[in-house]
Amino acid sequence: SYVLTQPPSVSVAPGQTARITCGGDNIGHKSVQWYQQKPGQAPVLVVYGDSDRPSGIPERYSGSNSGNTATLTIRRVEAGDEADYSCQVWDSSSDHPVVFGGGTKLTVL
Amino acid sequence: DVKLVESGGGLVQPGGSLRLSCAASGFTFKNSWMTWVRQAPGKGLEWVATIQEDGSAKYYVDSVKGRFTISRDNAKNSLFLQMSSLRVDDTALYYCARDRFVGATMWFFDFWGQGSLVTVSS
Repeated sequence: SYVLTQPPSVSVAPGQTARITCGGDNIGHKSVQWYQQKPGQAPVLVVYGDSDRPSGIPERYSGSNSGNTATLTIRRVEAGDEADYSCQVWDSSSDHPVVFGGGTKLTVL
Repeated sequence: DVKLVESGGGLVQPGGSLRLSCAASGFTFKNSWMTWVRQAPGKGLEWVATIQEDGSAKYYVDSVKGRFTISRDNAKNSLFLQMSSLRVDDTALYYCARDRFVGATMWFFDFWGQGSLVTVSS
C-alpha cells in the first residue's frame, strides 16, 4: 500500500515560517490534505486539495505539492499553532484507499 | 453547526466485543459517506472503515476485516462500529468523521468527532 513519510518533529520560533513535509511516491499526482491535531482535541482539516483552505482557516496556512513531496507552510507562526500535523491522500488504486502520514509534531520555541 | 459525538468505548478483554456509536447533527446525514478513523496511543491516524450514504457499500482496512462491521441508521442520524474478536492492538481512540469528495481525486474528512476510547486489555 501507499506510504506517506513525515518528519517526527519540526521546531520554529514565533513569527517565523514552519514547513512540514510529506513524502510519497509521485505524491504530486495525488491530492493532499493536512490535518491539525492539538492535544486532547479532534483533528481539524486545515488544507485540502494540496492548497485550498476550509473556511475559518487563516491565510497563514498554505500547501504545495510537487514531485515526491507535499509541503504544509505556516507563516508567522504563533504559539497556538503548536500541534501535530498529518498529511493524507486517497490512493484510488489500492484496497487501502485512505492513507495518513505518521504525523509531525510542530513545536513553537 | 456540524456535530459528531461518539460513545460506547471502554475497557474490554482480548477476544471481546464492543459497539461504538456516533450521533450526527447539523447536516444531512443520509447524504454523507461516513468513516471511522482510529489513533493508537502515541501513534498516527489510521483509517478503519467507511460506509456509503445508503449503507450499500462498505470498506475496511485489512486488519479489521471479518472482525469489525460498520453500519448506519439514517433515520436516527447515527453511525456504528461493531467490533468483535478485539485484540490488544485495537486499543485506540476511535473517531467518526464525515467524508467529503471533490471530483475524482479528492477524498477527505471535513468534520470529526472528539473520539471514543477503546482499551483492550486483560
